[in-house]
Amino acid sequence: GAVVSQHPSWVICKSGTSVKIECRSLDFQATTMFWYRQFPKQSLMLMATSNEGSKATYEQGVEKDKFLINHASLTLSTLTVTSAHPEDSSFYICSARRLGPQETQYFGPGTRLLVL
Amino acid sequence: ILNVEQSPQSLHVQEGDSTNFTCSFPSSNFYALHWYRWETAKSPEALFVMTLNGDEKKKGRISATLNTKEGYSYLYIKGSQPEDSATYLCAFILDSGYALNFGKGTSLLVTP
Repeated sequence: GAVVSQHPSWVICKSGTSVKIECRSLDFQATTMFWYRQFPKQSLMLMATSNEGSKATYEQGVEKDKFLINHASLTLSTLTVTSAHPEDSSFYICSARRLGPQETQYFGPGTRLLVL
Repeated sequence: ILNVEQSPQSLHVQEGDSTNFTCSFPSSNFYALHWYRWETAKSPEALFVMTLNGDEKKKGRISATLNTKEGYSYLYIKGSQPEDSATYLCAFILDSGYALNFGKGTSLLVTP
């Protein structure tokens, strides 16, 4: 299967700082990547759709100025959590959409964010 | 928010047992159903993508069926092995897009 990497795998930061998470598709090009968030005992929830060369599309309730997404190339999307607060502590995971006869999404391993 | 329900929430079986889980999803505006296998500290692994009513797919000891009219999919594991221990996620896609709408998953533990 296709490989998607995500970095860092975990991060601890102080309240008020910004954190950048990278998502890379290593062996295919992805015009579309997705960012999900998972709180304890909840399902993966889509935050935003990242489109290469254009603005991201955010789901209802997700602040675009808080969660900055940049998809500057066909293999890299970044999510920046700006001015992080403890309530932003969560598990963030990205996926990359691979087109083809069997279109599917390939996921990174996720990033655990803890804001103190 | 689309309601995707998975049951049971968790399951503990002995090695060699066969098992199955259920995924329920809205039957209207259906486009595709995905199953993923997610081991701790790893990336979710795509198992199946199912689009047609009546679809049956198989990968080794794991198989899945799809009923789009009534809005459910079953995942079967034959002769469970300890390495099958993982969380199994299903996700539904509407015909208007390609975002995955996930259930909470079924956590499977297989003990020797």
